[in-house]
Amino acid sequence: ETVMTQSPATLSVSPGERATLSCRASQSVSSNLAWYQQKPGQAPRLLIYGASTRATGIPARFSGSGSGTEFTLIISSLQSEDFAVYYCQQYNNWPPRFGGGTKVEIK
Amino acid sequence: QVQLVESGGGLVKPGGSLRLSCAASGFTFSDYYMSWIRQAPGKGLEWVSYISSSGSTIYYADSVKGRFTISRDNAKNSLYLQMNSLRAEDTAVYYCARDTSNWYFDYWGQGTLVTVSS
Repeated sequence: ETVMTQSPATLSVSPGERATLSCRASQSVSSNLAWYQQKPGQAPRLLIYGASTRATGIPARFSGSGSGTEFTLIISSLQSEDFAVYYCQQYNNWPPRFGGGTKVEIK
Repeated sequence: QVQLVESGGGLVKPGGSLRLSCAASGFTFSDYYMSWIRQAPGKGLEWVSYISSSGSTIYYADSVKGRFTISRDNAKNSLYLQMNSLRAEDTAVYYCARDTSNWYFDYWGQGTLVTVSS
């Protein structure tokens, strides 16, 4: 199984600042990597798939990059509604696996 | 708009059973693969089970294989998860999610909480 490791576990950022989240796979997942946002008490929401393609309705301040084993999600200028937990998920190898999440909190 | 609404969660004793349902609307349910994904309290996400659009192909996570059964009724636009021999570690919010057919998930329900405790 492909293990997904996210870092940092918690990221403290001021509104308007840039946030950089990392996700590492234990083996190559090509570009088959998705990112989700989850707010307290809510279901996850798809942000990015194919490592870098924004899902429908996702603002341009969210961008994804990477391939193989190293991936990055950047939120260019944090808005109040962006404070949440972010999960990466690989779907290249069976079974689909999620990372442990990065909590983005207000500094 | 796409809606997925889970129901059937609750408190059950270890060794007990529960059946979850997911009612789908706003899309052609019979065209899509579906999955169940769970999240233990304060923890991350764990994929549980998958069913193809016709129901002919089914997969399970090792942690639930032999205890859980996924099914669907395309005429009723509904997805199900029969959970037997429940354990404390099955305690979680269970989400149904629409699979894009590429094994990532573009719509999720609001979840239903299953608590396994004596």
